[in-house]
Amino acid sequence: NAGVTQTPKFQVLKTGQSMTLQCAQDMNHNSMYWYRQDPGMGLRLIYYSASEGTTDKGEVPNGYNVSRLNKREFSLRLESAAPSQTSVYFCASSKKPGNTIYFGEGSWLTVV
Amino acid sequence: GENVEQHPSTLSVQEGDSAVIKCTYSDSASNYFPWYKQELGKRPQLIIDIRSNVGEKKDQRIAVTLNKTAKHFSLHITETQPEDSAVYFCAASIPGNQFYFGTGTSLTVIP
Repeated sequence: NAGVTQTPKFQVLKTGQSMTLQCAQDMNHNSMYWYRQDPGMGLRLIYYSASEGTTDKGEVPNGYNVSRLNKREFSLRLESAAPSQTSVYFCASSKKPGNTIYFGEGSWLTVV
Repeated sequence: GENVEQHPSTLSVQEGDSAVIKCTYSDSASNYFPWYKQELGKRPQLIIDIRSNVGEKKDQRIAVTLNKTAKHFSLHITETQPEDSAVYFCAASIPGNQFYFGTGTSLTVIP
């Protein structure tokens, strides 16, 4: 039982490049989330998907798009990366909104 | 939306002493309050949680207390050990809604 798996673990991008972070969960959870973590800022919600077929903006959605591909997978896309998007990104899932959240191992993204 | 504040941002204690981290929340509809521990370079992991119908919950050396009237909840770690050194996050959630996280407390246990 892998839980929440996200790829890649590390990535360096040049300003203006695009990339997609992939996330999959095998816990049959309905809700999935993307957070970013910056020093001193805690965990800030970028986008979430309460259930398959729905997505909603979180606290810091600008510069990102998401796709809930199916119940298991939730991807995060940076269309035109900026240095301000240098961060650690965590995918997470829960049985339903407001239930315990389980995190993936994180993706370290550097935009130069 | 909900606003969660967490204090202190850093905390150093001697091994064997107790550590207390406090959080406040703003929305009285919040009913679930988990605490996460994040070791350096790792993912946040749930260590204990409490629901609004309970005032206190213990699990070995860690405990969480909740005061709904004052809208605050606290994490208590007794007999601290070096392996307790980590960043701790509190969170609050409203039923059917997203989580709101505090900004974290970096705990250092000095051997």
